[in-house]
Amino acid sequence: SAVISQKPSRDICQRGTSLTIQCQVDSQVTMMFWYRQQPGQSLTLIATANQGSEATYESGFVIDKFPISRPNLTFSTLTVSNMSPEDSSIYLCSATGTFNTGELFFGEGSRLTVL
Amino acid sequence: AQSVTQLDSHVSVSEGTPVLLRCNYSSSYSPSLFWYVQHPNKGLQLLLKYTSAATLVKGINGFEAEFKKSETSFHLTKPSAHMSDAAEYFCVVSDSKYGTASKLTFGTGTRLQVTL
Repeated sequence: SAVISQKPSRDICQRGTSLTIQCQVDSQVTMMFWYRQQPGQSLTLIATANQGSEATYESGFVIDKFPISRPNLTFSTLTVSNMSPEDSSIYLCSATGTFNTGELFFGEGSRLTVL
Repeated sequence: AQSVTQLDSHVSVSEGTPVLLRCNYSSSYSPSLFWYVQHPNKGLQLLLKYTSAATLVKGINGFEAEFKKSETSFHLTKPSAHMSDAAEYFCVVSDSKYGTASKLTFGTGTRLQVTL
């Protein structure tokens, strides 16, 4: 298994600013992902965080808006840039366990409100 | 391409009665399928997973699901609902054909309400 910690757990931000969310896993993991859950909606994959290289983004998400870093096997960050109210969502970090046995583990999410 | 369809956005049952949450999938490979639960203001928790072993999968808290390839279904069931089961449930498919985790595609979710 893997225990995933995210911070901040919630924040209220002003339009036009940027916020960086941190994700820490308690063990080395093979894969890490970032998801967005808009109010009352399901989860949508933003990108796969690749260690030491650029993240792989899904359709509709771009690096300029959601820059991602993954400097090592246990840590990743997601930045939401130039925020607008439409970015108000829960952002979730997920990861495989140390041994990739098929499931993903999730942090409790970062609830972002943009005014 | 892969996708999942959760047929009910909201299910309401009485405590002590059976639960059925329906899910159909589409996948190019033999899929890995999961059910996750999300309690209010909490993260996602894995209930159970199917990765090409036994077609009847038992999970936590008395839940189970049956993989039916002929029907492309993976419905979640529980014989007797408890008040603590009230939550949002997501059916999820993985694009990995090797049974290892890769990016997941989530269904739209089913909100389970349990009444006295």
